Amino acid sequence: AQRVTQPEKLLSVFKGAPVELKCNYSYSGSPELFWYVQYSRQRLQLLLRHISRESIKGFTADLNKGETSFHLKKPFAQEEDSAMYYCALTGEINTDKLIFGTGTRLQVFP
Amino acid sequence: GAGVSQSPRYKVAKRGQDVALRCDPISGHVSLFWYQQALGQGPEFLTYFQNEAQLDKSGLPSDRFFAERPEGSVSTLKIQRTQQEDSAVYLCASSLELVSELTDTQYFGPGTRLTVL
Repeated sequence: AQRVTQPEKLLSVFKGAPVELKCNYSYSGSPELFWYVQYSRQRLQLLLRHISRESIKGFTADLNKGETSFHLKKPFAQEEDSAMYYCALTGEINTDKLIFGTGTRLQVFP
Repeated sequence: GAGVSQSPRYKVAKRGQDVALRCDPISGHVSLFWYQQALGQGPEFLTYFQNEAQLDKSGLPSDRFFAERPEGSVSTLKIQRTQQEDSAVYLCASSLELVSELTDTQYFGPGTRLTVL
């Protein structure tokens, strides 16, 4: 069955510290993996996707098929990074429906 | 341009009432999705439209849930005889449906928070 696991409900760091938000998935085919972010009082929005292999707001994520992981990393956290982060996947033919994890709240303290 | 809009933003219903939630997707977006997000959980897929065709309704939790998109634009999610377990945020998302092997970016609305008393 398709599943996305985010083991941490809350991750708290100080400004300038490195951040890693964990995401593991189970999927039998070749999924596309995404990170979505929801800032306070804003709507859910795409942060990055593994296909594009780009860095957004200093965040990167590498798809590790051997470990079925797609961890989100940033070397130096900023206070404005505080938000809910959701890992998601899709892969079914003829539908782009997203399967989300339960989310990790990142708190960056000054 | 305007993003995905949803109305109402908040809805309180007594158990057993019927509710209708509206989604206005981004103009020109072919695909439309509904998700349910319970407190402390990630969004869970409910149903998917491509234009007016409902191609996937595998996530609808019961036959009390019904969705439509009759003209391929605005969509309505209807919940009949609401139960307390229906309390959640209902999210709508739309995507352009580019001709590509890649998944289109889904743009989310602000959600409708439904509370069933």
